[in-house]
Amino acid sequence: GAGVSQSPSNKVTEKGKDVELRCDPISGHTALYWYRQRLGQGLEFLIYFQGNSAPDKSGLPSDRFSAERTGESVSTLTIQRTQQEDSAVYLCASSYTRGPYNEQFFGPGTRLTVL
Amino acid sequence: AQSVTQLDSHVSVSEGTPVLLRCNYSSSYSPSLFWYVQHPNKGLQLLLKYTSAATLVKGINGFEAEFKKSETSFHLTKPSAHMSDAAEYFCVVSSLGGGKLIFGQGTELSVKP
Repeated sequence: GAGVSQSPSNKVTEKGKDVELRCDPISGHTALYWYRQRLGQGLEFLIYFQGNSAPDKSGLPSDRFSAERTGESVSTLTIQRTQQEDSAVYLCASSYTRGPYNEQFFGPGTRLTVL
Repeated sequence: AQSVTQLDSHVSVSEGTPVLLRCNYSSSYSPSLFWYVQHPNKGLQLLLKYTSAATLVKGINGFEAEFKKSETSFHLTKPSAHMSDAAEYFCVVSSLGGGKLIFGQGTELSVKP
């Protein structure tokens, strides 16, 4: 079966532009997560979905960041008015369900560069 | 709040020698702990996880980790390093109730021939 996929793999944009990052989770996985990895650092949690609701948005850095999910399928992370500090690899993960013992399967990430 | 601290940002070993990657955790409850590996230009892969069933956890590729509550540690070990083990390793704790994972800063493992 296919793993978690993300698109685009790379995105270069100009400061002030909006970007959309897409995540396709593993089929049947009800939980979906977004993380950010800045250069040389660990992953920072952004938001997670259980189904199409987002019980925890605590990691979103500002109101320029938003995310939505269609049912138990695709999710889109949108960054408005991008800033240079938004440059990072954005990783998506999915798991069968939410829970501390459930393995999260990660996608390859989208590398975002803001010029 | 939960957190993990990886004590070494970089570890270098020779092929065939033991590997030790150190991790300490902080948690107000019995934690779920994980080790993930990230090879260059590849996605994160789960190595092993601790879920309170046994304190010594065996993972893939010969790695194992021991949960020590008295020391709040979850160190990752391997008896004999292989060149293919060169990667970034992350110690991770799950938040209470599941949901988000909280990552350490990572340890880069280099393996010399």
